[in-house]
Amino acid sequence: DVKVTQSSRYLVKRTGEKVFLECVQDMDHENMFWYRQDPGLGLRLIYFSYDVKMKEKGDIPEGYSVSREKKERFSLILESASTNQTSMYLCASSTSLATHQETQYFGPGTRLLVL
Amino acid sequence: DAKTTQPNSMESNEEEPVHLPCNHSTISGTDYIHWYRQLPSQGPEYVIHGLTSNVNNRMASLAIAEDRKSSTLILHRATLRDAAVYYCILRDYGNTPLVFGKGTRLSVIA
Repeated sequence: DVKVTQSSRYLVKRTGEKVFLECVQDMDHENMFWYRQDPGLGLRLIYFSYDVKMKEKGDIPEGYSVSREKKERFSLILESASTNQTSMYLCASSTSLATHQETQYFGPGTRLLVL
Repeated sequence: DAKTTQPNSMESNEEEPVHLPCNHSTISGTDYIHWYRQLPSQGPEYVIHGLTSNVNNRMASLAIAEDRKSSTLILHRATLRDAAVYYCILRDYGNTPLVFGKGTRLSVIA
């Protein structure tokens, strides 16, 4: 089974802190994604990566950056956390097969509270 | 990805079949219909997908209208563990991120 793990299930940080959210997948997937999920807004894409050292902006990249130094690991960075970044963060991965049948596998999520 | 429309919520009794509808009137000929679900406090998980023909797997069945403008996810016997938000998503090509709508929140009553 594909496994996508996220470094923390729950995290509490203070405004202005630099926050690192880590995601690791064990299926040698090329693609990795970061979403955030908020009540009433659903899942929104922050950043994604098709390969090591590559990144693409999603729908809401402002206030975030990402790092993909190794294929299995995709990090989301909040340079200076703010209260409006309190949210559930979900990581996902998928193969690079450009087919309609590609499946995304999600991690369990990190619930971040910024005080 | 083309747009889909789903009811906000549905309710079912335990051990009864559930039919979750999805409208996608602007679907293109190359779009596959994917369903994901999100259990409470978990990330979304893949359920099923199809193109034109009805599909079955161990989790559910997918019934696709002949004109492909709508589809229905069928849970044959709902259990309490099926309570989740169900998302209907159209996929044109792989390598693009999934675009989630609001989905249908399914409640299952014992």
